[in-house]
Order: sequence, then structure tokens, then C-alpha cells
Amino acid sequence: DTGVSQNPRHKITKRGQNVTFRCDPISEHNRLYWYRQTLGQGPEFLTYFQNEAQLEKSRLLSDRFSAERPKGSFSTLEIQRTEQGDSAMYLCASSLNAGRRSLYEQYFGPGTRLTVT
Amino acid sequence: SQQGEEDPQALSIQEGENATMNCSYKTSINNLQWYRQNSGRGLVHLILIRSNEREKHSGRLRVTLDTSKKSSSLLITASRAADTASYFCATGAPNFGNEKLTFGTGTRLTIIP
Repeated sequence: DTGVSQNPRHKITKRGQNVTFRCDPISEHNRLYWYRQTLGQGPEFLTYFQNEAQLEKSRLLSDRFSAERPKGSFSTLEIQRTEQGDSAMYLCASSLNAGRRSLYEQYFGPGTRLTVT
Repeated sequence: SQQGEEDPQALSIQEGENATMNCSYKTSINNLQWYRQNSGRGLVHLILIRSNEREKHSGRLRVTLDTSKKSSSLLITASRAADTASYFCATGAPNFGNEKLTFGTGTRLTIIP
């Protein structure tokens, strides 16, 4: 399977704990995106990377959130001091942006469902 | 924040019927995309229409775009039970090189066998 993968698929944590999620994009895709989706809503953009560079961050991404893509391949999203409001599905997507070979379609992973108790 | 809204929020139809859902958005766009999401899973890309296109087809899917009204519609013909899912429209920002997507609130489609 060469699609986008995310780990873990589910995470239950207590309020105040730190959590880290991982996303492995499609191998030739140079762009990687993080979205958050709460129940009954569409995904909301959090941040994205072009290779290892983080190009944009949403104001939804408070200082408790940090994302990295150190080698331009996989990415991690860390949430420190989790709060109950952080409970959501965290989705990762990737796309190819390379001039004429650019594809605007984003390919999503299955998501990591976070529950903060 | 959500860019737009899908209408209706929920739709139930008999298998074999056509399903139409609409999307409205607020700002200028480069492209508009439709995605499907099965319960509790990731999103699957269905179709993309660029801002200079008015209609596009892909299999049983037909998408229209009216940039003057800032609206789009997705038609699924000859619906099947497997089409049961939530459908989201997503708009791409107008600036070249910025492909972050802004999603609508979704339409929950149920196909009754």
C-alpha cells in the first residue's frame, strides 16, 4: 500500500499529557498537510510543509502544537499539555507540487482519533 | 473557519436515484474539489474543477461551478449503497503555490437499498 499512513489510529490520553502523531506521505509527494476534524464538521487546516520547510500555520495551531518534517519525508504533530478541546480526528494529507507536474489533489491518510479524558 | 456550506446537511434517497448536493463558498478560488468520507475514515478525492471550468464529469459524478454565484454542485447518478458517506467540497486558495484546502461542513448522504 503506497498511500498516506498515520500512526497511531487511535489515542486516548489524560488531560495534561503530551501526545505525538506520525504521518508518512506518499513517497514522491513533496507537500504534506495537517488538518483537524471535529465531529460533524469538515476538516480545518492546521499547517503544511513543502519538503522540510513549514510554509504556513493556521491560527488554530496554538503554541501547544508543534509540527516537524525533519527530512522532508514523514512528519510528526505534537500536542503538549493536552486539553479536552483537543479531542478530534487529526488528518494528514500529501500532494505533489512541482511546476507542470503539480497535482492539486490531496491524498488523505486514515487519521488519528484523539480522545482527551 | 469553514469556507462554505454544503446543502443539504443530510440527504436520504433510494438506491438508483440521483443525488444532488450543493456547496457555497465565500472568497475567490483557484479550484474546487469534492471529497468523500466514509464514517470515521480519511477523505477520498473525487473530482477537481478549476475556476475557469464550468462543468466536469467523472464516471457517475458531474460537478458544476458557478464562480459568479460562488457555488458548486455535485451530482451522483444511479446511486448505489456504497455511495453512503459524507461529501465535502473544498476550495483551493487563489494564490498559485498555496494549495491549502478550506472545507465546507459536509452533506451526509444515505442510500437506502
